[in-house]
Amino acid sequence: AAGVIQSPRHLIKEKRETATLKCYPIPRHDTVYWYQQGPGQDPQFLISFYEKMQSDKGSIPDRFSAQQFSDYHSELNMSSLELGDSALYFCASSLGRSGMQETQYFGPGTRLLVL
Amino acid sequence: AQSVTQPDIHITVSEGASLELRCNYSYGATPYLFWYVQSPGQGLQLLLKYFSGDTLVQGIKGFEAEFKRSQSSFNLRKPSVHWSDAAEYFCAVGSGNTGFQKLVFGTGTRLLVSP
Repeated sequence: AAGVIQSPRHLIKEKRETATLKCYPIPRHDTVYWYQQGPGQDPQFLISFYEKMQSDKGSIPDRFSAQQFSDYHSELNMSSLELGDSALYFCASSLGRSGMQETQYFGPGTRLLVL
Repeated sequence: AQSVTQPDIHITVSEGASLELRCNYSYGATPYLFWYVQSPGQGLQLLLKYFSGDTLVQGIKGFEAEFKRSQSSFNLRKPSVHWSDAAEYFCAVGSGNTGFQKLVFGTGTRLLVSP
């Protein structure tokens, strides 16, 4: 079965550079979530989208922005990168019309290293 | 605020022995509970979920979990552990007040399997 696709899988950037992470949800899934997992940490919710509109927002820095496109893929844009942004970034997708009884399926993650 | 506590950071179990990973949650309403497993460098794979109904839920790979409202617990069990079960296990509760749930994760339990 098709899974969530994230690209790139690995990314190395310098401080103050920008990065764009992409997420392609499972076919027919209309909701996308972004999570950040620091080294040795649990995943932390950043932001989510349903039908191309932001549905919820968590602890996402102002330097980050995200959007969901008409084909439901999503991009997380990160500017003025800091060393502390080094983390594993997960995207998850779900069928949003299930409401609170949805199940999120995670992609393999993008590992970002900021030097 | 919703929270999840996994009291055990590391657990070592002999191959073939039984396993129980503890999870306690704090949530005002009916919780939506999940267990995910993460192998090193990999994404999060859903093991099982509880939304309502039977409090004993079966998942993949021979795992099961029991929801106990009186104890605010959702412990994960497996009768016989295999070496391939060595991984990080995350308990999560679905939360959110926008009609869509974001996942709040516990800090994880790292399972080591000894020969």
